[in-house]
Amino acid sequence: KAGVTQTPRYLIKTRGQQVTLSCSPISGHRSVSWYQQTPGQGLQFLFEYFSETQRNKGNFPGRFSGRQFSNSRSEMNVSTLELGDSALYLCASSLDGAGDTQYFGPGTRLTVL
Amino acid sequence: AQSVTQLGSHVSVSEGALVLLRCNYSSSVPPYLFWYVQYPNQGLQLLLKYTTGATLVKGINGFEAEFKKSETSFHLTKPSAHMSDAAEYFCAVIRNRDDKIIFGKGTRLHILP
Repeated sequence: KAGVTQTPRYLIKTRGQQVTLSCSPISGHRSVSWYQQTPGQGLQFLFEYFSETQRNKGNFPGRFSGRQFSNSRSEMNVSTLELGDSALYLCASSLDGAGDTQYFGPGTRLTVL
Repeated sequence: AQSVTQLGSHVSVSEGALVLLRCNYSSSVPPYLFWYVQYPNQGLQLLLKYTTGATLVKGINGFEAEFKKSETSFHLTKPSAHMSDAAEYFCAVIRNRDDKIIFGKGTRLHILP
């Protein structure tokens, strides 16, 4: 079956703009998690959505938000972009949560100028 | 609070030599433990996980890890390194299957010919 897909793969934005990233999970998976990966901070958990509800949240400011649709597809939004938001954003899906095997997408590389 | 410490951000081993990547965790309850691998320009892939039961866990590509509660460790090993093992490896912990996952900073494994 098809893996986790993320669109777009690359984005370039300027400070102050907003951005929306999309993630399509593996069919049948109800949990979608988002991560930010940077060389300095490593892999940091943003949030997890399960059956359209945010179940877990990491320590990120309110500029970072997300949602999940009834078909389990998820989007994350970052408003008022800052230079420090430049990162690889990874999405992962699993059947019931991070305790299950998570399947990761290839990521969206966001560059903020 | 949970945390994960990976000793060594870079590890180099010769092809055919033993691979040992170290991971120590802190958790208030018996955790779920994971090792994920990330190849260049790709998302993460699960190598192996420990939930309950046998403390020696075998994963893909010849890797295994042993859960040692007394040492709060979950070190990853492989008897004989291959060039294809060059990648970044992440240890992760979660308290229960519905909780948020915490990743270590990662260890980049270099294989010397």
